[in-house]
Amino acid sequence: TQLLEQSPQFLSIQEGENLTVYCNSSSVFSSLQWYRQEPGEGPVLLVTVVTGGEVKKLKRLTFQFGDARKDSSLHITAAQPGDTGLYLCALRRLGGTSYGKLTFGQGTILTVHP
Amino acid sequence: DTEVTQTPKHLVMGMTNKKSLKCEQHMGHRAMYWYKQKAKKPPELMFVYSYEKLSINESVPSRFSPECPNSSLLNLHLHALQPEDSALYLCASSQGLTERGYKYGYTFGSGTRLTVV
Repeated sequence: TQLLEQSPQFLSIQEGENLTVYCNSSSVFSSLQWYRQEPGEGPVLLVTVVTGGEVKKLKRLTFQFGDARKDSSLHITAAQPGDTGLYLCALRRLGGTSYGKLTFGQGTILTVHP
Repeated sequence: DTEVTQTPKHLVMGMTNKKSLKCEQHMGHRAMYWYKQKAKKPPELMFVYSYEKLSINESVPSRFSPECPNSSLLNLHLHALQPEDSALYLCASSQGLTERGYKYGYTFGSGTRLTVV
């Protein structure tokens, strides 16, 4: 079973629409990170959420961390073609033999059509 | 300098070849990583180095051999690869593996696109 369940896997929308990507787990996170990856490039960190209930905004992107720290969402307002890419949530392990390991969700491939 | 630099950007190699991928960072990060990524899939961890020592090997086949010559450099030596090893190989670094560092993200390089023929 996946440690992180990310949905949807694919999202194809028109410019100007809003969208939400979800990341869920049955375990409590100490922190969660969101990355965006463009074709031919490595993932780039967008945000780290740490506190339950936390909301962070990055221009048209809003990130939310659930109160119980078991889920997170990314909401994009008025999507633009430049938002196209692979969006990844990631969990950084802090215990056991996997200490420090960054584990990714399955990813959401977003395509925004002009 | 806030980048991770990977070379080469593209590599085509035969199944009997030996090649190396290189990764360099000058951010003072003490943890470095190799990830493998197939098309439209998330990156999969291969190796973790902490303070130049191998910390995690995710049961990677021995045809992949990592090396960390110093705190700024990370290599991945390739030998006798299979066509299914074709993928994007990503190097990343982070401030460290300590609890204090958990808030910090990874900085990824642009990757090496490897094709095994």
